[in-house]
Formats: sequence, structure tokens, C-alpha cells
Amino acid sequence: DQQVKQNSPSLSVQEGRISILNCDYTNSMFDYFLWYKKYPAEGPTFLISISSIKDKNEDGRFTVFLNKSAKHLSLHIVPSQPGDSAVYFCAGGGTSYGKLTFGQGTILTVHP
Amino acid sequence: EPEVTQTPSHQVTQMGQEVILRCVPISNHLYFYWYRQILGQKVEFLVSFYNNEISEKSEIFDDQFSVERPDGSNFTLKIRSTKLEDSAMYFCASSEQGRNTEAFFGQGTRLTVV
Repeated sequence: DQQVKQNSPSLSVQEGRISILNCDYTNSMFDYFLWYKKYPAEGPTFLISISSIKDKNEDGRFTVFLNKSAKHLSLHIVPSQPGDSAVYFCAGGGTSYGKLTFGQGTILTVHP
Repeated sequence: EPEVTQTPSHQVTQMGQEVILRCVPISNHLYFYWYRQILGQKVEFLVSFYNNEISEKSEIFDDQFSVERPDGSNFTLKIRSTKLEDSAMYFCASSEQGRNTEAFFGQGTRLTVV
């Protein structure tokens, strides 16, 4: 089941620069997408979401872009901070009862 | 800030034993979920629960699994006869609505079956 794919297992970025995390999906039934951040031994923490009727959503340092025709979304973090170092998961949702389908995650490391 | 709480944080059990994982969702939320993450793999959906019944479940959620909301605050996941492959982090989550809304996750219960 590869409905949501994050092809980059890891990303390393210098503090202050932009981090771009990518996600591809195959399920056309998804109508909203979310990004979660996860530290070791903790549960996923919601970051930002986007509805399929939009192509961009911004919240502070975090911006999510959605390209429906390419079935691709990305999370931009700018400027990146060392505290952003974590595993980032994208997830798709599209059912009435809130089931989310997660990607494999990308480990982001922000170096001081 | 309201949060989802899970107990215990770590549970070790012998193969074949029953385990109950407990969760207290955020109080005004109506939709409840269990997910799991086997080490090194993705977070996988198990089940969603709304209006005191299962609304969706995955292929993983077979007859060995059950969920219950025994009172107004707790939400439990029971595994009747644990197998080695049930070893994973189990996350409870809740959301205000079902569609187009974020789910808030607990810190997880690490289940180790020996």
C-alpha cells in the first residue's frame, strides 16, 4: 500500500536556510492533506494542513504547497531552526470518519 | 492545552496474553482512532470510532482486536491473544470532526510481545 510516498528518507539543512520536504500520493480520493512532526518516543504533532481545493497554505515559518495535477505536495520551512530536527510525515485524508494514510516519513536534520 | 493521554507508556506481555491499551481523548472530540507504528515502518491506521461504534477499520484490525469506550472519557484498544508481530508503538488520536480536520495524537504506548 503506497498511497502516500515520501521518497527522501532524510534531509540535512543548515540553520537559517529553507527545508523542502516532498510527498507524492496516488489516491485521488484524498481531499485534504496534513503534515505531522514527530520526535522519538512521542506521538505525531500536527503542523499544517491543506484542503484539495487550495494550492497553498501558510502558517508562520511553514508553508504547504499542493499540486493536484502532479499529485504532489511539499512542506517548506523557512528559516529552518535546529529545533525543527525531527521526522516529518505527510498524510492524506478523504473519508468521512477521518482515517489518515501516512507516508514513510523524512528525517530532517537542521545543523547550527 | 488539551492533549490526548495514553497509558501505559510501555507494556511488555507474553505471547498469547491479552492486553488493554488505554487512552483519554480530548474532551470535546467526537472521533477517536488507533494507529500503530512497527519499528522502522510507517504509521498505519487501525480503526476509527464514532458515536459508540466502529466507523472504519483496516485489514490489520482483525478479530483479535477490539475497541471500547467504556465511559465518557476512556477509549481502549484490546488485543485478545498477542502475537510477536503485534510489537509496535500504538497511538491513540482524536479529532473534533471526521472530515477535513486534524487528528491529535497521544504520546503512544510501546507494546513489546515476548
